Amino acid sequence: EDKVVQSPLSLVVHEGDTVTLNCSYEVTNFRSLLWYKQEKKAPTFLFMLTSSGIEKKSGRLSSILDKKELFSILNITATQTGDSAVYLCAVVNYGGSQGNLIFGKGTKLSVKP
Amino acid sequence: KAGVTQTPRYLIKTRGQQVTLSCSPISGHRSVSWYQQTPGQGLQFLFEYFSETQRNKGNFPGRFSGRQFSNSRSEMNVSTLELGDSALYLCASSSPDSGGYNEQFFGPGTRLTVL
Repeated sequence: EDKVVQSPLSLVVHEGDTVTLNCSYEVTNFRSLLWYKQEKKAPTFLFMLTSSGIEKKSGRLSSILDKKELFSILNITATQTGDSAVYLCAVVNYGGSQGNLIFGKGTKLSVKP
Repeated sequence: KAGVTQTPRYLIKTRGQQVTLSCSPISGHRSVSWYQQTPGQGLQFLFEYFSETQRNKGNFPGRFSGRQFSNSRSEMNVSTLELGDSALYLCASSSPDSGGYNEQFFGPGTRLTVL
């Protein structure tokens, strides 16, 4: 069965810390991997990764994909309280029984002042 | 550019009733996908519509159905509601220029409560 597994499920850090969120996957026909941030509303898009080893960066956030080992990481440096959210990883998988976008359960990040 | 809009935002129904949710995608987006989000199961894919055709379907019972109109607006219907259908229903749209890689933009969701 196609699946996307995120770890840890929750994380509590202090402002200024650096965090690494993990996403591993097993899917039938991998096309790309997406990261989203979800606060008390709908998910907002962060990154789309399709090629191994190419880091994507946006401010303090960065992400990289390893298609050989089937995982991705999302790094957040110098965390701020505004980074508190659930971070979702999703894999685009055409032809799988679960449809074209499979989500992990998310990592709940809490950043304390 | 206006974002994805969903109506209604909140809905309360009783078991056995049916419900219709609406989603208007970002202008120019032709793909619309629907998701169910619950605390226990997380985000689960329901179906995707593109150019009025259901292009992909998740693993949900036939009580869940949808359609897309020529202006790309989409509706989702759930018949014979069950308590377990209580969830946040999210709609997302994507552009044809995204290369089919589903870079999606989500609406605010419809919170459905089944009593």
